[in-house]
Amino acid sequence: DGGITQSPKYLFRKEGQNVTLSCEQNLNHDAMYWYRQDPGQGLRLIYYSQIVNDFQKGDIAEGYSVSREKKESFPLTVTSAQKNPTAFYLCASSLHRDRGGSYNEQFFGPGTRLTVL
Amino acid sequence: GNSVTQMEGPVTLSEEAFLTINCTYTATGYPSLFWYVQYPGEGLQLLLKATKADDKGSNKGFEATYRKETTSFHLEKGSVQVSDSAVYFCALSLNNAGNMLTFGGGTRLMVKP
Repeated sequence: DGGITQSPKYLFRKEGQNVTLSCEQNLNHDAMYWYRQDPGQGLRLIYYSQIVNDFQKGDIAEGYSVSREKKESFPLTVTSAQKNPTAFYLCASSLHRDRGGSYNEQFFGPGTRLTVL
Repeated sequence: GNSVTQMEGPVTLSEEAFLTINCTYTATGYPSLFWYVQYPGEGLQLLLKATKADDKGSNKGFEATYRKETTSFHLEKGSVQVSDSAVYFCALSLNNAGNMLTFGGGTRLMVKP
């Protein structure tokens, strides 16, 4: 079945360590996104990529890095520079939207809960 | 800038009660509007959408009407079920912003038997 997978579901990190969260999609979508969700709050965009080998910062990119070497994969690295990394991280993907074209739904993965010990 | 404001939760209702979750927005231009639902421990799913003024989105008994004059997109359901317990997010997307979404803060709904 087509969909988006994120791994691991739960991740624990010691302070000062970098960790990488996986996001894979087999929907043949062009665009991929990473969001952060904190308790009782909405989603905030970390990074997004509209095409392979290209990505842009979202609203809260500091302390995070990404790569987009393959269309189906968009891993997120939470670096030690991220001051408060404990959160729920959601990955999403969508077809590309041409200027003036119809909105293409974002499909979300199940999320990864990161806890810093 | 663009923003979405939702009523704060949690909203606690008894089964078969009427549900309204308020959502208002500010946007430069004419956005498309969405409601997403997040069940416990899961990602978000698109519940319904409306792409222009006066459109009504509907799905699974939920409805929302795009009101340009009041910049609102309130979510309603006539009779909620325990299985509707989840967090509901209102969101907007502008035509010149690809598929980028601006989310509200989310509203937790708890339905008691």
